[in-house]
Amino acid sequence: GAVVSQHPSWVICKSGTSVKIECRSLDFQATTMFWYRQFPKQSLMLMATSNEGSKATYEQGVEKDKFLINHASLTLSTLTVTSAHPEDSSFYICSAYPGTDDSSYNSPLHFGNGTRLTVT
Amino acid sequence: AQTVTQSQPEMSVQEAETVTLSCTYDTSENNYYLFWYKQPPSRQMILVIRQEAYKQQNATENRFSVNFQKAAKSFSLKISDSQLGDTAMYFCAFMNWAGYALNFGKGTSLLVTP
Repeated sequence: GAVVSQHPSWVICKSGTSVKIECRSLDFQATTMFWYRQFPKQSLMLMATSNEGSKATYEQGVEKDKFLINHASLTLSTLTVTSAHPEDSSFYICSAYPGTDDSSYNSPLHFGNGTRLTVT
Repeated sequence: AQTVTQSQPEMSVQEAETVTLSCTYDTSENNYYLFWYKQPPSRQMILVIRQEAYKQQNATENRFSVNFQKAAKSFSLKISDSQLGDTAMYFCAFMNWAGYALNFGKGTSLLVTP
């Protein structure tokens, strides 16, 4: 089945530094990937939609300059948390549909295993 | 924007019993998809079941089935013969026909006890 690999699975960084999280589709191509954020015991909140070869679409309230998204290829999207602060500590999950056309949305959305970010 | 409401923050059921998790949603669209996802302590998101709104027949997957009431905008999940491994957070999710991202409810924490 379609596999989405997310790396790292957990990371600890100091306040003020930047952290990059990678999301790879291992056995399929994905035009669109999604980044979610989940606080403890809460739901997944969509942060942005990552589009291959174009700018990401951010949800209202998400700072695009803080959460930089790059989707340089059909198999890789990256989320960079810039100048991280303790309040950015959270669980970040990426997801993708296996495909590059509208028919791909008929397939289930596949999730990475998530990245636990702790900012000290 | 579509909203998804799960009114049961926590539920508990004994092993081998049946439990129903509720979900309601709000949309003006006629065609859409609904999902139930399971998130165990590992936090991996696992698709449990999926329902297309144009299908009247309720989806079933082994011990999991849904009661889809389109007019009432209700989408409940029934877990039969509950197993200890069913202990997890369960999220109801909505996706519009255009295939945009999932919109999740707040989740229901299900505990299956021996």
